[in-house]
Amino acid sequence: NAGVTQTPKFRILKIGQSMTLQCTQDMNHNYMYWYRQDPGMGLKLIYYSVGAGITDKGEVPNGYNVSRSTTEDFPLRLELAAPSQTSVYFCASTALAHEQYFGPGTRLTVT
Amino acid sequence: QKEVEQNSGPLSVPEGAIASLNCTYSDRGSQSFFWYRQYSGKSPELIMSIYSNGDKEDGRFTAQLNKASQYVSLLIRDSQPSDSATYLCAVNSNSGYALNFGKGTSLLVTP
Repeated sequence: NAGVTQTPKFRILKIGQSMTLQCTQDMNHNYMYWYRQDPGMGLKLIYYSVGAGITDKGEVPNGYNVSRSTTEDFPLRLELAAPSQTSVYFCASTALAHEQYFGPGTRLTVT
Repeated sequence: QKEVEQNSGPLSVPEGAIASLNCTYSDRGSQSFFWYRQYSGKSPELIMSIYSNGDKEDGRFTAQLNKASQYVSLLIRDSQPSDSATYLCAVNSNSGYALNFGKGTSLLVTP
């Protein structure tokens, strides 16, 4: 199993551009999550999904959108990128809604 | 917003000593507690989970939970330089689907 994979690893965006961060898991987990981590800070939940077709907002959803059309994939969309979205983004998944397993992360810079 | 508090450190211990990491949480309804280890530039890695009061041991790691005091700790015995990392405490949220993370404690094990 590859576990949780994320692409790209690094990306630089200009202000106002859009992009999609990809997340795929091959463990048949129902629950998937997107977090962002700023330097010296903990993980902040952006969006989560409890199954295909079901998503909900987390603590910091503004400026982001998600979809969950399959069990495996949970892409995160950034519209109109802003410098405040410069961060490291982690995707995670779990079968049990608690013991979450993380992907390697995407380091995003918006300039 | 439910809070998870950790001392940011750095906590410095000599090689071979016991490292003690602490975490407090504000939501009395929390049922699940986790410790993640995060090396610099890497994603969080689950190292311990604990669900009931008392101690849980796994190799050199011991998690301790006291729900009455809303306190969870992680002990690392025979600390090694490879244990140098940031340790994140996570507690299940009131939604049941997500985790609230502390900001992490930086541990430095010196040879």
